[in-house]
Amino acid sequence: GAVVSQHPSWVICKSGTSVKIECRSLDFQATTMFWYRQFPKQSLMLMATSNEGSKATYEQGVEKDKFLINHASLTLSTLTVTSAHPEDSSFYICSQIVNRANYGYTFGSGTRLTVV
Amino acid sequence: SQQGEEDPQALSIQEGENATMNCSYKTSINNLQWYRQNSGRGLVHLILIRSNEREKHSGRLRVTLDTSKKSSSLLITASRAADTASYFCAWDSGYSTLTFGKGTMLLVSP
Repeated sequence: GAVVSQHPSWVICKSGTSVKIECRSLDFQATTMFWYRQFPKQSLMLMATSNEGSKATYEQGVEKDKFLINHASLTLSTLTVTSAHPEDSSFYICSQIVNRANYGYTFGSGTRLTVV
Repeated sequence: SQQGEEDPQALSIQEGENATMNCSYKTSINNLQWYRQNSGRGLVHLILIRSNEREKHSGRLRVTLDTSKKSSSLLITASRAADTASYFCAWDSGYSTLTFGKGTMLLVSP
């Protein structure tokens, strides 16, 4: 089946630095990628939807200048957390639709970000 | 997006027992899906039920959907210790984005 490769799986960074998370479609061309954030013991919250070649659509309350999303190709979407703060520490997961007819989604393995 | 509710928030059972988790949502939907997440890991798709379906089975999993009550349930029969995980429902309201419920943490003790 379709696979999304997400890395890094975990990262620790200092406050004020930027971190890039990559999601790569290994055997599928993803025109749409979804980015979620999950705080400990909570559910997934959609942050933004990125479409290949166009600007991402951000959910209410998500700062687009802080969470930069690039979806320059059909196989790669990146999320950059800029000027990270400890409150940005979270689990970030990407997802893509692999079969619109059957509503099939696949998820990356997630990135645990810790900002110290 | 509006999150619904899942109950219970946490469920602790013994191996061999059945586990039932419930999910409620707030909008009309095209389909509802259930996912499993092991601690600190990504999500694994378990089962999808369409809005015109009322019940679906997959192995030890049974899902029901009541669109009049905007609710769904996931039943895991004959649970195993390896079923220990968090379970989330998620629904597609027709815009190709998934909204997730708050999740149920299931602990199955040997």
